[in-house]
Amino acid sequence: SAVISQKPSRDICQRGTSLTIQCQVDSQVTMMFWYRQQPGQSLTLIATANQGSEATYESGFVIDKFPISRPNLTFSTLTVSNMSPEDSSIYLCSVGEGAAYGYTFGSGTRLTVV
Amino acid sequence: EDKVVQSPLSLVVHEGDTVTLNCSYEVTNFRSLLWYKQEKKAPTFLFMLTSSGIEKKSGRLSSILDKKELFSILNITATQTGDSAVYLCAVVMNYGGATNKLIFGTGTLLAVQP
Repeated sequence: SAVISQKPSRDICQRGTSLTIQCQVDSQVTMMFWYRQQPGQSLTLIATANQGSEATYESGFVIDKFPISRPNLTFSTLTVSNMSPEDSSIYLCSVGEGAAYGYTFGSGTRLTVV
Repeated sequence: EDKVVQSPLSLVVHEGDTVTLNCSYEVTNFRSLLWYKQEKKAPTFLFMLTSSGIEKKSGRLSSILDKKELFSILNITATQTGDSAVYLCAVVMNYGGATNKLIFGTGTLLAVQP
């Protein structure tokens, strides 16, 4: 299966600042997905990132708050902007790999906003 | 509204017990159902199910899908303390063209006591 390197692994940030999370995949993939998992909750899809086009955001998520870049077929970034304590979550990137491996996830970023 | 519901929310068993985790869904344009194990941050893939009645098996874990009744079960036999984790069910749905997305259930927290 694909190997996804995600960083940072964790960070503690001041409110009002921004954090950029990076995901690097060891193979070319068409779509990458970004998820948020708030404490005690399940995963919620933030957006789908296609190379060469604007990301598609799910209801409740906006580009100004979560800008995404997808400069090539192996890399994507998610920025959490103007952070508040409510943004404290685990953020995960993911790629689809078909029936053998399902959707593979990066190692996750645990963000704490103080 | 598309939704995936898992039960029970949490479960405590003793080593050697057999457990059954449940996942029911109501989604449009169903494509497949996935099971994941989440121990720390990143979910790890267990099974992808697309056809009814065909059991997928990996060691002590097995899963089956019923597309008529819209549910799946994940069985774990002879549980071990290393099985302690959150088990996530996710449904892949198509929402236009070649674009699929995952909707996750709430998860079942399994604790296996020695």
